[in-house]
Amino acid sequence: GDSVTQMEGPVTLSEEAFLTINCTYTATGYPSLFWYVQYPGEGLQLLLKATKADDKGSNKGFEATYRKETTSFHLEKGSVQVSDSAVYFCALINTPKLTFGKGITLSVRP
Amino acid sequence: EPEVTQTPSHQVTQMGQEVILRCVPISNHLYFYWYRQILGQKVEFLVSFYNNEISEKSEIFDDQFSVERPDGSNFTLKIRSTKLEDSAMYFCASRDAGVGYTFGSGTRLTVV
Repeated sequence: GDSVTQMEGPVTLSEEAFLTINCTYTATGYPSLFWYVQYPGEGLQLLLKATKADDKGSNKGFEATYRKETTSFHLEKGSVQVSDSAVYFCALINTPKLTFGKGITLSVRP
Repeated sequence: EPEVTQTPSHQVTQMGQEVILRCVPISNHLYFYWYRQILGQKVEFLVSFYNNEISEKSEIFDDQFSVERPDGSNFTLKIRSTKLEDSAMYFCASRDAGVGYTFGSGTRLTVV
């Protein structure tokens, strides 16, 4: 079945540091890929998405590129802020349901 | 921007009691979902609903669970006899014909 693997966390960075959160997937066919973010005490919000190979999703300074050859969708941001502290989930949709990774907690220190 | 609305935001219930979690999906969406997130764990699919019937359900969605769209706007998840392990954050989501899910802010269910 479909699966999403995220790097182990948590991740703690200083403000303005570069962020990479790794995500790889296993799926048949051509899934769409997503990053969701969950801020403390809140629900899931779509951060960005990519629907086909080589697409780059971007939002709020975050980027991720759909790499079919490596089955990856790594999340990057050039300069993190304290307000980026949250849990980040990689996910794919292949059938009508979303399959999520375990999530990784990012803490950004001032 | 259209939202998926969930109520209540937090519910505490005694073990063995029935609970109903309510959701108002986005009005022109066609597909409806419930997911849950046990504290510290991954978000898990429970059930999908389309054209007034369940289209897919997970192993978690046993006979204790049911979903309903009683009036064309609300979408409810009922747990008949809650167990301690049902304590989780429950997310409702809706989707149009594309891949764009919209999630609600969740209901935190605590079973004591």
